[in-house]
Amino acid sequence: KAGVTQTPRYLIKTRGQQVTLSCSPISGHRSVSWYQQTPGQGLQFLFEYFSETQRNKGNFPGRFSGRQFSNSRSEMNVSTLELGDSALYLCASSPGGGEKLFFGSGTQLSVL
Amino acid sequence: EDQVTQSPEALRLQEGESSSLNCSYTVSGLRGLFWYRQDPGKGPEFLFTLYSAGEEKEKERLKATLTKKESFLHITAPKPEDSATYLCAVQTTGSSNTGKLIFGQGTTLQVKP
Repeated sequence: KAGVTQTPRYLIKTRGQQVTLSCSPISGHRSVSWYQQTPGQGLQFLFEYFSETQRNKGNFPGRFSGRQFSNSRSEMNVSTLELGDSALYLCASSPGGGEKLFFGSGTQLSVL
Repeated sequence: EDQVTQSPEALRLQEGESSSLNCSYTVSGLRGLFWYRQDPGKGPEFLFTLYSAGEEKEKERLKATLTKKESFLHITAPKPEDSATYLCAVQTTGSSNTGKLIFGQGTTLQVKP
């Protein structure tokens, strides 16, 4: 069974730009969660989608948004990038949420 | 505020030297506590879930235990391939049945041959 796939693996952007990251969950998994990982803050929850609906949201500004498609694939978007947005963005899937999460390898975003 | 604290931040062991990693938590209500392992350049990989005080889980050289305030990850006779960052995370009763976890900062373990 294929794991969680995140694309792209690396991204370099400049301040003020916007970026879209993609996540394909494990087949059959309907819950997709997004996390931001930085050396200073560790892993922080961004939001979760289940059956195309945002079910939970962390404490991040509105510049961070996401969506989920009918095939459970998910995208997250960050608008008006700031230097502090440089981080590893991890996507995780689970069958319904609440069970163990399966993480992808992440997208490393660098904002210059 | 719900909080998870791991100690130590970093741990260096000789191969075969057993030790324990600590995860203490302060949450409004605990639904489950998770341990993950993360290798450089990769996402976290699930190890264990513990749900109630007194529960223990084992996998190879790893054993996780849970009390009402903390969890321990015991590593017995570690090998160099056990080198990684170990992450502890909690799911609260307020976020049960969702993908929201609160993570600790992790303990980076290095095992020297």
